[in-house]
Amino acid sequence: ETGVTQTPRHLVMGMTNKKSLKCEQHLGHNAMYWYKQSAKKPLELMFVYNFKEQTENNSVPSRFSPECPNSSHLFLHLHTLQPEDSALYLCASSQDRGTGSKAFFGQGTRLTVV
Amino acid sequence: AQSVTQLDSHVSVSEGTPVLLRCNYSSSYSPSLFWYVQHPNKGLQLLLKYTSAATLVKGINGFEAEFKKSETSFHLTKPSAHMSDAAEYFCVVSAPGGYNKLIFGAGTRLAVHP
Repeated sequence: ETGVTQTPRHLVMGMTNKKSLKCEQHLGHNAMYWYKQSAKKPLELMFVYNFKEQTENNSVPSRFSPECPNSSHLFLHLHTLQPEDSALYLCASSQDRGTGSKAFFGQGTRLTVV
Repeated sequence: AQSVTQLDSHVSVSEGTPVLLRCNYSSSYSPSLFWYVQHPNKGLQLLLKYTSAATLVKGINGFEAEFKKSETSFHLTKPSAHMSDAAEYFCVVSAPGGYNKLIFGAGTRLAVHP
């Protein structure tokens, strides 16, 4: 266990649905991240939060909406997704956002958009 | 700009033989480098991290990596492969810029045969 927990582990949703992914860390970290892992593509950073403030949006479409109510929780709200959004979504946290800070990853949510 | 190239998409070894997973990086700055491992249906686990303290870095599960600046390489090795080492391995560079932006290689899938 890495100390980062993601729920649900698997999610199937239609293109008109609204769903949310949840990430929780009990490591006392201040920075949290969302990554997307698609088949045959390198992991892509989506969002970075530091002390609950969004510090990076890596040109992510607005159908993905992150929320960070506190330093321990991170959500990814999904609406009107496309089939190409099917992927493994990974949450990570690190002590701070400084370069070289170790990132700890959750097990991911396997999302399938039908 | 920072980038990472993993030279082999697949590596296959026999149990008990050495493992070599190759990684070359490109960085304008003194980089922070990581190796992560991902077992099937699992999240990413940190194997080891290089931060300039020592060029030979020892990680978990008997893995180690050597930073060679002249060759811009950070290859991962293990003297003797175990069946449980079968997984996907990612070489990662941390980009500077005020936050911990991790840039992932495409991954190397390691197969271990009896």
